[in-house]
Order: sequence, then structure tokens, then C-alpha cells
Amino acid sequence: DAGITQSPRYKITETGRQVTLMCHQTWSHSYMFWYRQDLGHGLRLIYYSAAADITDKGEVPDGYVVSRSKTENFPLTLESATRSQTSVYFCASSDRPGQGADGYTFGSGTRLTVV
Amino acid sequence: GEDVEQSLFLSVREGDSSVINCTYTDSSSTYLYWYKQEPGAGLQLLTYIFSNMDMKQDQRLTVLLNKKDKHLSLRIADTQTGDSAIYFCAVDNTNAGKSTFGDGTTLTVKP
Repeated sequence: DAGITQSPRYKITETGRQVTLMCHQTWSHSYMFWYRQDLGHGLRLIYYSAAADITDKGEVPDGYVVSRSKTENFPLTLESATRSQTSVYFCASSDRPGQGADGYTFGSGTRLTVV
Repeated sequence: GEDVEQSLFLSVREGDSSVINCTYTDSSSTYLYWYKQEPGAGLQLLTYIFSNMDMKQDQRLTVLLNKKDKHLSLRIADTQTGDSAIYFCAVDNTNAGKSTFGDGTTLTVKP
């Protein structure tokens, strides 16, 4: 089915480990985004990408790395996980941010716990 | 940059109307959105309004836009327990190529 898929759905990792969250979309949307959602902070933008091989920092990029070698995939890597990175992570995609009524399409999220 | 603000909580009785408010700072925004997030799920686009409109109605949902005051509201008529969720206001920033989201309003509907 067309859509946006995040994996894994749940992840527990230890402090200091590297972990990668996956995001795959079948819409062929140009733009993709990574947000984290924490109580009291709403959604905070980590990184976004306007096209393959084009990425840009959001509000809270420290400790995260992204890549986008293919339009449909936008993985997020925590290079050395810390407890403060315990959060729910959402991936989103959009065809024409700022120019269309479709808004963003969000994945179901990955709940990451760093112990 | 763009700032979008919402009140954090709203509680209503089943059958009443709910009004969720949002203020923003970027007057050049062309599309403004409301998203709904149910427990354990991602955000889903609920409705949108184009900046040249004052009002948009879609079944039980009414969106009002006051561009002069940079104020957006979402009214849910005959609120049901299934409407309990977090509602996010989002405003497009064309120049930045992305939307700015508010922190979300948690709507609780009591039977």
C-alpha cells in the first residue's frame, strides 16, 4: 500500500550505542522530515530534506545524522544514544510544503527508549 | 522565525461544541492546517484553510481565519468521545519550504 512506513515501531537501546530509525515513503514526495515529540515540547524538527542528497538542520539536530541517497528513504541515526534522546520519533513527507493543501503525511512513529 | 501558539488543554462535555485556538506570527502564510493525533498514532491531516478564506466548513468542523489578528480556530460541533485527541495547528512557511507546528491542544471529551 502507498504510504509512509517507520521501523522499528519500538526500540530499546543502551546509552552510547548507535541506532538507526528507518523511514520509507511510496508517494515519491520530494520533502521528508524527522520530528521528535516529547511531553511539553510538542513536535521539534530534527532534520529535513528537500530532495535526494539535500538535507538541512532543523531546531534540534545535535546528536543526529541523516542521509537521503534515494527519494523514498530517509534514515535517522543516533550516533551515540543518550537518555535525553528517549522520545517518540515521527517521519513525515510532503510534495510541496507551503504550496499545497495536502499538508504532511506522517508515519506511525518510533518509540525509542535509551537506558 | 515563525511562531505558532496554542493552549495546551481543553475539556468539554459530550455533545457540546469545542473551540481550539491558535495564533501565529507569519502573515505571509498561504496554507494553514489542523492535524489530529490519536493516542499511539501519528498526526493526520484533519482540514486546512487557504489564506484568502475567512471560513471553511467540513461536516462537524468549522475553521475560522482572522488574518488581521493572525488567529486560527477549529470548532468541532457536537463533540464526541472519539474526538478526544491532540490537535495541532500548523502554518506553512513558503520561503522555508516547511510548516511550523504548534505544541498541540489536548482535547478531552467527558461523557
